[in-house]
Amino acid sequence: GENVEQHPSTLSVQEGDSAVIKCTYSDSASNYFPWYKQELGKRPQLIIDIRSNVGEKKDQRIAVTLNKTAKHFSLHITETQPEDSAVYFCAALVRNNDMRFGAGTRLTVKP
Amino acid sequence: DGGITQSPKYLFRKEGQNVTLSCEQNLNHDAMYWYRQDPGQGLRLIYYSQIVNDFQKGDIAEGYSVSREKKESFPLTVTSAQKNPTAFYLCASSIDLGRVGYEQYFGPGTRLTVT
Repeated sequence: GENVEQHPSTLSVQEGDSAVIKCTYSDSASNYFPWYKQELGKRPQLIIDIRSNVGEKKDQRIAVTLNKTAKHFSLHITETQPEDSAVYFCAALVRNNDMRFGAGTRLTVKP
Repeated sequence: DGGITQSPKYLFRKEGQNVTLSCEQNLNHDAMYWYRQDPGQGLRLIYYSQIVNDFQKGDIAEGYSVSREKKESFPLTVTSAQKNPTAFYLCASSIDLGRVGYEQYFGPGTRLTVT
């Protein structure tokens, strides 16, 4: 089955710096890659996603890149702010609505 | 935050008892999912269902059971066979597509404590 690995597990950056979180997946049939943000005590919420026919997608300070050949995708947050502090999860959708998540990255943005 | 609800928010049970967690959605979504989240870990898939009366095992289905008798409802039963049931349980739903998008909407979660 699909295996999604996420790195790093924790990330601390200074406010205004960029943050990058990387994920790899194993199943070449995966065709959809969302990123979720989970604030403390709250439910995960989608922040950006990318489909396998696109190499990059950007939404304001957030961008995601996908390398299908290497089977990895990354989340980039620029100009980080303290409110970006949360746990971020990557995921990969295999067939039949089977969504597999990475283990999460705890991002801390220091003011 | 509306659309998918879980109840109760906190649940306490004695070891050896079965317990059922509720998940309801009014989003008209075809697919529903149950995940387990442990401290410092990601979301692990327990079961998912693409359509009424059909469901598939995820990575950690042992000790759990589900039913999907209605499109809106996907209850999860944690049985006494589940060796380490204390965890945070998240339910999610999504439109079964290719048509619009695959976004999963999560419920607020149920924190189950078994002693």
